[in-house]
Amino acid sequence: QQKVQQSPESLSVPEGGMASLNCTSSDRNFQYFWWYRQHSGEGPKALMSIFSDGDKKEGRFTAHLNKASLHVSLHIRDSQPSDSALYFCAAGNTGNYKYVFGAGTRLKVIA
Amino acid sequence: EAAVTQSPRNKVAVTGGKVTLSCNQTNNHNNMYWYRQDTGHGLRLIHYSYGAGSTEKGDIPDGYKASRPSQENFSLILELATPSQTSVYFCASGDAGEDTQYFGPGTRLLVL
Repeated sequence: QQKVQQSPESLSVPEGGMASLNCTSSDRNFQYFWWYRQHSGEGPKALMSIFSDGDKKEGRFTAHLNKASLHVSLHIRDSQPSDSALYFCAAGNTGNYKYVFGAGTRLKVIA
Repeated sequence: EAAVTQSPRNKVAVTGGKVTLSCNQTNNHNNMYWYRQDTGHGLRLIHYSYGAGSTEKGDIPDGYKASRPSQENFSLILELATPSQTSVYFCASGDAGEDTQYFGPGTRLLVL
């Protein structure tokens, strides 16, 4: 079983709508989480990281972390067609040199 | 933004042949990583490196070797390629473990 599980596998939202992506870890040693986005034919690019419980907002993107439940979410407000991509959650331990990626959520924003 | 390049971008290899995938980064990052991406599995770490001369096994190292001859270059070597190694391979670089990883554009490998 993967240590980082994402849901849903795919998601469609209308342009201007809210997209919500979820990520759950099975390893209580994970101390930080990242969200990466990958457009078709490209390498993944970092969106944002979150280390502390609560919300972190960057523009239209808000990440929420609940360490007790090992759950992190990404909410995209006012979704745009350019947000259509594969979104990865990654988790790791401070002091380690690597993190673990989930299988991804494919988001489609319908114009 | 950090620049990571990979070569070749596409490769067709025969079963049993040797394949070398190359990666170069120009941002003086200490850490470099090789991942493979397969549908349903996301990105899985094959090998990584802390710096020139070091290589470490990732989560799926079997069938792969890595080489880090310099700060800038990190290679992935398939000594005896198999069809199960058909995949898209990504190289990434970064500083501390919890920092951003910067990915290259990927190499699509087909092993026949």
